[in-house]
Amino acid sequence: EDQVTQSPEALRLQEGESSSLNCSYTVSGLRGLFWYRQDPGKGPEFLFTLYSAGEEKEKERLKATLTKKESFLHITAPKPEDSATYLCAVQVLGSSNTGKLIFGQGTTLQVKP
Amino acid sequence: NAGVTQTPKFQVLKTGQSMTLQCAQDMNHNSMYWYRQDPGMGLRLIYYSASEGTTDKGEVPNGYNVSRLNKREFSLRLESAAPSQTSVYFCASSAYRGVISQTTQYFGPGTRLTVL
Repeated sequence: EDQVTQSPEALRLQEGESSSLNCSYTVSGLRGLFWYRQDPGKGPEFLFTLYSAGEEKEKERLKATLTKKESFLHITAPKPEDSATYLCAVQVLGSSNTGKLIFGQGTTLQVKP
Repeated sequence: NAGVTQTPKFQVLKTGQSMTLQCAQDMNHNSMYWYRQDPGMGLRLIYYSASEGTTDKGEVPNGYNVSRLNKREFSLRLESAAPSQTSVYFCASSAYRGVISQTTQYFGPGTRLTVL
């Protein structure tokens, strides 16, 4: 069964304290891996798409990396405005006609000033 | 360019009542999706429409129906609401045409539904 697991469930950081969020997946074949940010009471906001192992993408203080089994979202010198829930999702081979995604449960990040 | 819009934003129903959640996108996307989000469960796919004129079941379709009205609009209907359908509902769309670079899904702001 295709599965996506995110860890930790919750993370508290001090402003400036760098850390990483993990997304591990077991799927029959990976077509793409997506990271989203979700603020309370809002819909998920797209951050990154990664398609192949070794790929990396950056946006401001965020950097996403991908291996054959997992993805990391590295947060460098976070600020309070980075506080949100970060969602990971995968698109599996075989869903090529639909674009369906399988989501993890998310990591809720709190950055204290 | 509003992206994906959803109405209503909030709704309270009594058990057995029916309602339709509306979703529209202005990005000329082919594919549209309905998800529900519950604490500890993540986002789960209810129904999707890969292209205009087609709809298919997702992971949790029981108790729901959908209509792809046209390329822009995709509605979700609860025929007889149950307390287990209390959730936050998100609509999403993507340009997906089998092209790997067009797989990103963009989400609406959500509808918060409570069934008493």
